Amino acid sequence: DAKTTQPNSMESNEEEPVHLPCNHSTISGTDYIHWYRQLPSQGPEYVIHGLTSNVNNRMASLAIAEDRKSSTLILHRATLRDAAVYYCILRRTNNNDMRFGAGTRLTVKP
Amino acid sequence: KAGVTQTPRYLIKTRGQQVTLSCSPISGHRSVSWYQQTPGQGLQFLFEYFSETQRNKGNFPGRFSGRQFSNSRSEMNVSTLELGDSALYLCASSLVAESSYNEQFFGPGTRLTVL
Repeated sequence: DAKTTQPNSMESNEEEPVHLPCNHSTISGTDYIHWYRQLPSQGPEYVIHGLTSNVNNRMASLAIAEDRKSSTLILHRATLRDAAVYYCILRRTNNNDMRFGAGTRLTVKP
Repeated sequence: KAGVTQTPRYLIKTRGQQVTLSCSPISGHRSVSWYQQTPGQGLQFLFEYFSETQRNKGNFPGRFSGRQFSNSRSEMNVSTLELGDSALYLCASSLVAESSYNEQFFGPGTRLTVL
């Protein structure tokens, strides 16, 4: 299985941008890159996903390297409510089996 | 639209007992996946059901089993409980199983404590 590597933790100041990196050097051509986050005492929630091109939605942006071996989740203006564990996951085509790594614990300081 | 619901939310059992957890997916969702979350191992995939059939299975012993009903509701069962089975069990539903980019919606989880 293709694996992902993320920093254990990151800190950010409120209302500043946050760039959360993820390495996935063994990604295959059909793997989608997904990001989920888990707020305290809740189940994970979907943030964004992409295949090759950069993606934007109301929550975040996803920047994917040209060789697809790494990606970066961008929160444009961190709020206290964005404090969570962020997971970068590779999902194989036609497969709902999501292999979570340890994720990055994001702390947002006021 | 109601989200994914899981019952019970909290459960305490003793070693050797068995337990059944229930998950009701979002209306219209046909795929249900189960995950175990522990501080040591993190989030681990247990299995996925689609149209009453198990499609994928994680690396867990046979004591962990599940099933899905015709209304897409799912149950998972753990027999002969061990202390290490203490965990948060999360259920996730998605609309269509055949696509790798389907968003999964997670429930709040069932916190199982084995004494």
